[in-house]
Amino acid sequence: GAVVSQHPSWVICKSGTSVKIECRSLDFQATTMFWYRQFPKQSLMLMATSNEGSKATYEQGVEKDKFLINHASLTLSTLTVTSAHPEDSSFYICSAGTSGGSYEQYFGPGTRLTVT
Amino acid sequence: AQTVTQSQPEMSVQEAETVTLSCTYDTSESDYYLFWYKQPPSRQMILVIRQEAYKQQNATENRFSVNFQKAAKSFSLKISDSQLGDAAMYFCAYHNTNAGKSTFGDGTTLTVKP
Repeated sequence: GAVVSQHPSWVICKSGTSVKIECRSLDFQATTMFWYRQFPKQSLMLMATSNEGSKATYEQGVEKDKFLINHASLTLSTLTVTSAHPEDSSFYICSAGTSGGSYEQYFGPGTRLTVT
Repeated sequence: AQTVTQSQPEMSVQEAETVTLSCTYDTSESDYYLFWYKQPPSRQMILVIRQEAYKQQNATENRFSVNFQKAAKSFSLKISDSQLGDAAMYFCAYHNTNAGKSTFGDGTTLTVKP
């Protein structure tokens, strides 16, 4: 149980275009979803936290107009990178948390974004 | 703000031996959770072990155990009988239950030598 999928796993887009990444909890309801960015051999940097039906809470320094997060249901959250630039190239990971007090996160397999 | 420090960027261990990965954190909270996650080359994050701060007893999951020293704000991970499949990057994470989010350390890359 507690499987999180992410789609696509790898995407290449041209500079100036937008790309959407989907994160789904397959067998449980995710009350909270998190979006992280990870550079090679580095730690996970939290970008934003989203709760179903409400606006995402962005971390300091993360442009909310550039990284649009939508958590429309208890099983789906999306991250849209708008007007992507080469510096947005990175590995993006989503995770889902449940209510119930264990506080562990279930991670998606990640999406590698390359902006050319 | 909470910080999590993993002072060992890289560690290596011989297969079947024991290795300990260190982690310290800084917080003024009394209620929190600590985690160790593993990230193999596939980059899929996997939960290794969880510790509730209010529990004095150290968590154990098969070959993985922690040494949780709350006063010292230390949370080390011991891997016994290391296996080749244990090779990965290990992240220590602090979860702030009030803020509802986690802070990750910089990670320790573990190499297991056959």
